Amino acid sequence: GQNIDQPTEMTATEGAIVQINCTYQTSGFNGLFWYQQHAGEAPTFLSYNVLDGLEEKGRFSSFLSRSKGYSYLLLKELQMKDSASYLCAVRDEDNYGQNFVFGPGTRLSVLP
Amino acid sequence: DVKVTQSSRYLVKRTGEKVFLECVQDMDHENMFWYRQDPGLGLRLIYFSYDVKMKEKGDIPEGYSVSREKKERFSLILESASTNQTSMYLCASSSWTDSSYNSPLHFGNGTRLTVT
Repeated sequence: GQNIDQPTEMTATEGAIVQINCTYQTSGFNGLFWYQQHAGEAPTFLSYNVLDGLEEKGRFSSFLSRSKGYSYLLLKELQMKDSASYLCAVRDEDNYGQNFVFGPGTRLSVLP
Repeated sequence: DVKVTQSSRYLVKRTGEKVFLECVQDMDHENMFWYRQDPGLGLRLIYFSYDVKMKEKGDIPEGYSVSREKKERFSLILESASTNQTSMYLCASSSWTDSSYNSPLHFGNGTRLTVT
């Protein structure tokens, strides 16, 4: 079956580094996506991994290990505006390769 | 920037009513999606459309139908609303040809539907 796991909530301090983990089991794999969603707003695309390794994008980095079914999102130099939910999603092979399976999301609170 | 617009941010309907949720995207995307988002469950796909008049069932299509008469518009219909359909509904679109990031989803701001 399809399953994606993430921690439900995390708390970190402004200026710190936080790592949000995601493990997945899906039928097929066509990439892993991270989205950020502020309360009451639309999810917005953050990063994409399809090969093993680290992708860096400013303060945000995302890592993928396909053999382990594992990814993490690393947020550096945390700011208050990073308080949001972070959604891990895997694109599998269903629906003509347009099927996204989402995890439950991790709510991150950044404290001063 | 891609813009996905959902017609209502908040809706309150009564049990048994027929409910229409409208979504419009302005980037000529082929694919459009309807998800619902519930705490602890993440986003679950209701229906997907890859072309005008084409639709595919997602994980939870029961109690819903969709319509795609024009490429830019994708409507979700609750034939007879029930209280367990109280949720946040998110529309999204993507393009086959957006290969730079493997066609990410672009979301609307959501419609929070309450059925009483």
